[in-house]
Amino acid sequence: GDSVTQMEGPVTLSEEAFLTINCTYTATGYPSLFWYVQYPGEGLQLLLKATKADDKGSNKGFEATYRKETTSFHLEKGSVQVSDSAVYFCALSYSGAQKLVFGQGTRLTINP
Amino acid sequence: DTGVSQNPRHKITKRGQNVTFRCDPISEHNRLYWYRQTLGQGPEFLTYFQNEAQLEKSRLLSDRFSAERPKGSFSTLEIQRTEQGDSAMYLCATGTWGDEQFFGPGTRLTVL
Repeated sequence: GDSVTQMEGPVTLSEEAFLTINCTYTATGYPSLFWYVQYPGEGLQLLLKATKADDKGSNKGFEATYRKETTSFHLEKGSVQVSDSAVYFCALSYSGAQKLVFGQGTRLTINP
Repeated sequence: DTGVSQNPRHKITKRGQNVTFRCDPISEHNRLYWYRQTLGQGPEFLTYFQNEAQLEKSRLLSDRFSAERPKGSFSTLEIQRTEQGDSAMYLCATGTWGDEQFFGPGTRLTVL
């Protein structure tokens, strides 16, 4: 079946550091890929998405590229801020029913 | 607030009791999903409605669980004869024909 694996957390960085959160997937078809973020006390929010191979999703300074050859969708940001502290979830879905299959989440803490 | 709302936000119950959760979608969103999230894990799909029709159910949705979406508007998720293993955050998400799902804040269930 389909699955998503994220790098183990928690991740702690200093402000302005470079961020990478790894995400790999196993899929029977050609899914769309997503990063969702959950800020403290809030619901899940879509951060970015990519719908086909080599697409790059970007939002709020975050980027991720859909790599079919390595089945990966790593999240990157060049300079993190304290306000980026949250739990990040990688997910996939297919067109049609579009149920999301999530990774286990990575908790990110940014220290000033 | 025109986002997805869920009630109650917290529910504490004794083992063996029945509980019911409600989800009110964003207006005009015809797709509605229920997910369950346990501590330290990503959300897991439970069931999916398109309008009032329940089109998919996960194996996680045992016969003690039932979901409805009368008239294609709000949805309810009922758990009968609750067990301690049912303790989790229950998330509702809604969407239209696009990829994005909009999540509610969740209902946290604690079974004593």
